[in-house]
Amino acid sequence: EPEVTQTPSHQVTQMGQEVILRCVPISNHLYFYWYRQILGQKVEFLVSFYNNEISEKSEIFDDQFSVERPDGSNFTLKIRSTKLEDSAMYFCASSVGELHEQYFGPGTRLTVT
Amino acid sequence: EDQVTQSPEALRLQEGESSSLNCSYTVSGLRGLFWYRQDPGKGPEFLFTLYSAGEEKEKERLKATLTKKESFLHITAPKPEDSATYLCAGNAGGTSYGKLTFGQGTILTVHP
Repeated sequence: EPEVTQTPSHQVTQMGQEVILRCVPISNHLYFYWYRQILGQKVEFLVSFYNNEISEKSEIFDDQFSVERPDGSNFTLKIRSTKLEDSAMYFCASSVGELHEQYFGPGTRLTVT
Repeated sequence: EDQVTQSPEALRLQEGESSSLNCSYTVSGLRGLFWYRQDPGKGPEFLFTLYSAGEEKEKERLKATLTKKESFLHITAPKPEDSATYLCAGNAGGTSYGKLTFGQGTILTVHP
């Protein structure tokens, strides 16, 4: 069964460093998303991406964040200068349509020290 | 502001003891209500999509229902392997482009 994959599973970085989180969405899906979940809190929407551009972004997704689909299979989230409060689980998701169910990857645990 | 609220926050059941989880939402122009299961340290696993009031979906011991203001996840004769956090999420559609607004989840523990 097709699934969303994410790498790395755990990333430790120092404050101020850049990180890139990688995702491979399900191959026939057209909509891609990033969410994050701070420990013990709700899953929060960051950004949606369709047709090679951002469709919507939340207030969390400020100028320090960017997304890219560099080729036909990968979808990346870059944080330019990490802060302590960026520590969280980051989930990639994909769907065939914007009103369809989203399938989530296993997540990348980002720890900023 | 779109909001999704789940209750109870935690639920402890004995194996075989049926119960229901509640999800109430204030999502303007709701275009879909989704249920997910999340195990510790893992990503949400899709369970059900409900699009209109009165709709019901079933899978094994789980049944999801939707009204105009809330959704229920009914668990019949649960087993210990049903222990997980159950998440509810609303999709406002329109210009929201698939953005899901999640509730805080119900932590379900089923004891043998």
